[in-house]
Amino acid sequence: DGGITQSPKYLFRKEGQNVTLSCEQNLNHDAMYWYRQDPGQGLRLIYYSQIVNDFQKGDIAEGYSVSREKKESFPLTVTSAQKNPTAFYLCASRRRGTYNEQFFGPGTRLTVL
Amino acid sequence: QQPVQSPQAVILREGEDAVINCSSSKALYSVHWYRQKHGEAPVFLMILLKGGEQKGHEKISASFNEKKQQSSLYLTASQLSYSGTYFCGTEPMENNDMRFGAGTRLTVKP
Repeated sequence: DGGITQSPKYLFRKEGQNVTLSCEQNLNHDAMYWYRQDPGQGLRLIYYSQIVNDFQKGDIAEGYSVSREKKESFPLTVTSAQKNPTAFYLCASRRRGTYNEQFFGPGTRLTVL
Repeated sequence: QQPVQSPQAVILREGEDAVINCSSSKALYSVHWYRQKHGEAPVFLMILLKGGEQKGHEKISASFNEKKQQSSLYLTASQLSYSGTYFCGTEPMENNDMRFGAGTRLTVKP
């Protein structure tokens, strides 16, 4: 079955530590996205990538970093510079070009203690 | 850059109808609609393209006003399963970065 996996589902970290969230897709999609969702709020774009080895900042990229070394993988690192990292993080992918919907992973809930 | 959704929340009885609106300040190529249940990932409902093409759910309809860069999602004869938060995502003409509105929380009661 094709899909997007994010691991782990729940993640706890101490303040000041960097943490990397995994996102893998086997849908052969070119574009991948990271969103942050806070309670009762919408999805805010952190980073996105249209092709391997290329990515762009979204609206709230400060304190985050990404890499896109393989088509199927788009890990997100939450650095200690991110002032309020506790949130629900969603990864998504889609085929390049329009008229193609985004597919979302199950999400990772990060709690920084 | 995020689209603006309205209303923020709606409470319905089963069988009632609802309309959710989405507007953008940018020229759009497409509008996407998704529904999210609590603690789950958003699920695709519909895409509307500039020019009038649509792709999506059989029981849900939507419109896209290209002149006003506005879209509306129409939920008719609502069922309990329609409860959730509805998001519109907009794709501007110049690139493929998808941005989402703040969401509309829909609650359908028996």
